[in-house]
Amino acid sequence: EAQVTQNPRYLITVTGKKLTVTCSQNMNHEYMSWYRQDPGLGLRQIYYSMNVEVTDKGDVPEGYKVSRKEKRNFPLILESPSPNQTSLYFCASIGVTDTQYFGPGTRLTVL
Amino acid sequence: QKEVEQNSGPLSVPEGAIASLNCTYSDRGSQSFFWYRQYSGKSPELIMFIYSNGDKEDGRFTAQLNKASQYVSLLIRDSQPSDSATYLCAVNQFVYGQNFVFGPGTRLSVLP
Repeated sequence: EAQVTQNPRYLITVTGKKLTVTCSQNMNHEYMSWYRQDPGLGLRQIYYSMNVEVTDKGDVPEGYKVSRKEKRNFPLILESPSPNQTSLYFCASIGVTDTQYFGPGTRLTVL
Repeated sequence: QKEVEQNSGPLSVPEGAIASLNCTYSDRGSQSFFWYRQYSGKSPELIMFIYSNGDKEDGRFTAQLNKASQYVSLLIRDSQPSDSATYLCAVNQFVYGQNFVFGPGTRLSVLP
């Protein structure tokens, strides 16, 4: 089954404690992307990747890092999380015709 | 700053009616346009994409694009209670690639 997986699905952490949200796709897509979703603001792109070792900033990259060492994986790293990064995060894998396949989401709370 | 605007709603329609959802975008260079549906607590799922001016139909859904007016809409015919969700408009500057911009979404409620 074609899918995008994210882990963890829920995470409560404290300010400053580094964390990684993993994302993996099994569709052999070159393009992947990370979004955050906040009430009233919709989905905002954090980072995207066009292929292995190729990443670029989206609209809200501050406080986040990504890496793309393998085509299937695109982890999101928060080196020093802050409360304003409390949000719902989605990873997406982008196929032909720009169709985005979203993961199930990770709900992050930073205390 | 590229912007995509939608009425937040909620838009309420009776079952069986036509629901009309609208979206405007600011970047004239935008090439591809998408409608996603998102149920509460779930991830977005693609309904339709459209690249060219005019109408595109898929079952009960019709997407309409007018690049001159920078306007894209989604019509849902014979609306069903299961269509109740938030509908997200997304725009991409490229025909194939990255840098999507999403609107805030319109919440649709179909009343039985």
